[in-house]
Amino acid sequence: EDKVVQSPLSLVVHEGDTVTLNCSYEVTNFRSLLWYKQEKKAPTFLFMLTSSGIEKKSGRLSSILDKKELFSILNITATQTGDSAIYLCVLPDNAGNMLTFGGGTRLMVKP
Amino acid sequence: NAGVTQTPKFRVLKTGQSMTLLCAQDMNHEYMYWYRQDPGMGLRLIHYSVGEGTTAKGEVPDGYNVSRLKKQNFLLGLESAAPSQTSVYFCASRASGTSTDTQYFGPGTRLTVL
Repeated sequence: EDKVVQSPLSLVVHEGDTVTLNCSYEVTNFRSLLWYKQEKKAPTFLFMLTSSGIEKKSGRLSSILDKKELFSILNITATQTGDSAIYLCVLPDNAGNMLTFGGGTRLMVKP
Repeated sequence: NAGVTQTPKFRVLKTGQSMTLLCAQDMNHEYMYWYRQDPGMGLRLIHYSVGEGTTAKGEVPDGYNVSRLKKQNFLLGLESAAPSQTSVYFCASRASGTSTDTQYFGPGTRLTVL
């Protein structure tokens, strides 16, 4: 059974800080790893990672995958209050339909 | 381009009543999904569809039925609502192909069953 573990469970930082969110996983057949941000409503897509060592970047957010050590990290630099959310690490199954969700990291950014 | 939309946004039902939730997407995606999210828990897959006219069970299908008569729409039905079905329901869609695992989520429907 595929498994996704995220750490820390929650994090409180101040604006301007840099944070690193961790995701470790166990999977039978790796297809991809996804990161989502969930505020009060629906999860919104951040990154899809398929290859080790290649950083994906979008503004202040970046993510990288290590398929040998079975983990991924999500970095957020110069955090803002709008970054406050739950960040989800997600593994699709072999067909891309069944998603295994990590428990999420709840990030709170204080002014 | 509205993406994924859901109707209604909120609904309150009495135990035993039935209702249908509508999901629509305008991205021409092949795959569509229904999830539920309970407080403090992750999303759980109820049913999904890999194309028009097809449906399949997810992790928690009991008490729900689905239909995909048109490619752009995916309906979730509750035949006889129970308080345990109080939840937030999310619909999602995904394009076909091995390089497109991203599921795009609708805004959610908050359902309360009394």
